[in-house]
Amino acid sequence: NAGVMQNPRHLVRRRGQEARLRCSPMKGHSHVYWYRQLPEEGLKFMVYLQKENIIDESGMPKERFSAEFPKEGPSILRIQQVVRGDSAAYFCASSPLVGTGLITEAFFGQGTRLTVV
Amino acid sequence: ELKVEQNPLFLSMQEGKNYTIYCNYSTTSDRLYWYRQDPGKSLESLFVLLSNGAVKQEGRLMASLDTKARLSTLHITAAVHDLSATYFCAVTQKLVFGQGTRLTINP
Repeated sequence: NAGVMQNPRHLVRRRGQEARLRCSPMKGHSHVYWYRQLPEEGLKFMVYLQKENIIDESGMPKERFSAEFPKEGPSILRIQQVVRGDSAAYFCASSPLVGTGLITEAFFGQGTRLTVV
Repeated sequence: ELKVEQNPLFLSMQEGKNYTIYCNYSTTSDRLYWYRQDPGKSLESLFVLLSNGAVKQEGRLMASLDTKARLSTLHITAAVHDLSATYFCAVTQKLVFGQGTRLTINP
């Protein structure tokens, strides 16, 4: 059973370009979470998705950032018109379907390191 | 707004010593996680604590949870160099993280 797969591992974009980060959850996992980590800092929650549904996007910047988790295929974090301040490591995590009273563990991918030049 | 605070943020210790990392959180959570991160790497799950008084141990690491005080501790016993890493606690299902504690263990 493969773990959470993120690609690309490293991504370089010029200012103004678009960045698309992909996350394939573990088999059987229906929940995906995205986080941003600046150098020497902790992880900041961005968005929490279930297939075809955004559950919590309270950590997403209001502009230029969007996320989706379609019925088929990976979850995508999309950053339009990137700026230097978007340079960071972006991690996704996945967990199984959460049942009533059931606590599940989230497993992390290797991250995508975005550099905006 | 839910806040999670760890202390200390930086910890340098000698091999063989014991120490404790603290994690405080501001609102109720039905779970608390501890993760380890090595430089440039992803996060490795260490413990999931679910109930008041829960204690879990793995090797030289032991985690405990006091939900009434909204406090978790990660205790390191007889530290070894391999435990050098950054340790994060996180709460709630969507994982709100503390700032991390960068632990350096010197020979």
